Amino acid sequence: GENVEQHPSTLSVQEGDSAVIKCTYSDSASNYFPWYKQELGKGPQLIIDIRSNVGEKKDQRIAVTLNKTAKHFSLHITETQPEDSAVYFCAAGGRFGNEKLTFGTGTRLTIIP
Amino acid sequence: GAVVSQHPSWVICKSGTSVKIECRSLDFQATTMFWYRQFPKQSLMLMATSNEGSKATYEQGVEKDKFLINHASLTLSTLTVTSAHPEDSSFYICSARGGGGSNFYEQYFGPGTRLTVT
Repeated sequence: GENVEQHPSTLSVQEGDSAVIKCTYSDSASNYFPWYKQELGKGPQLIIDIRSNVGEKKDQRIAVTLNKTAKHFSLHITETQPEDSAVYFCAAGGRFGNEKLTFGTGTRLTIIP
Repeated sequence: GAVVSQHPSWVICKSGTSVKIECRSLDFQATTMFWYRQFPKQSLMLMATSNEGSKATYEQGVEKDKFLINHASLTLSTLTVTSAHPEDSSFYICSARGGGGSNFYEQYFGPGTRLTVT
């Protein structure tokens, strides 16, 4: 089955600086890679996703890059703000005929004012 | 759009009793719903996948007789934890997939249900 590794597990960034979280996956058939933000006591919220036919996708301060050859994808948050503090999860899925997502272990991002 | 609700948001029950958690897609028809369990400071672990009108598919190691899943309509799935024990205490989260025009694989998550078994 799919295996997703996520690094780092914790990340502290000065407000205004950029944050980068990286994930690797094992199943070359995966073709859908979403990123979720989870605040304490709440369910995950989709913040951006990318399909395998695209190398990069951007939405305001958030961007995701995908390297299918190396089987890794990254989340980039620029101009970080205190409200960006949360736990972020990457996931991989979209294997033909399989709707499941496999999640990474999470990154606790803290923005230092 | 794409809002998923869960009820209750938290529940406390005594050991040996059963508890039902509801998951509803409020503004779209969910052809598939997923149930996850999340322990403190850990990732989401998929428990089962359910499609409307058919039996749920459980992940390896998840007891289907203990965690009963019903997906009776395109907007409602329920998870019943039977004969709950303290080790079942966890954060249970559902997600739903489907809806016209959405990414086939995109999942929308509910707010979660905190279950505490005493």
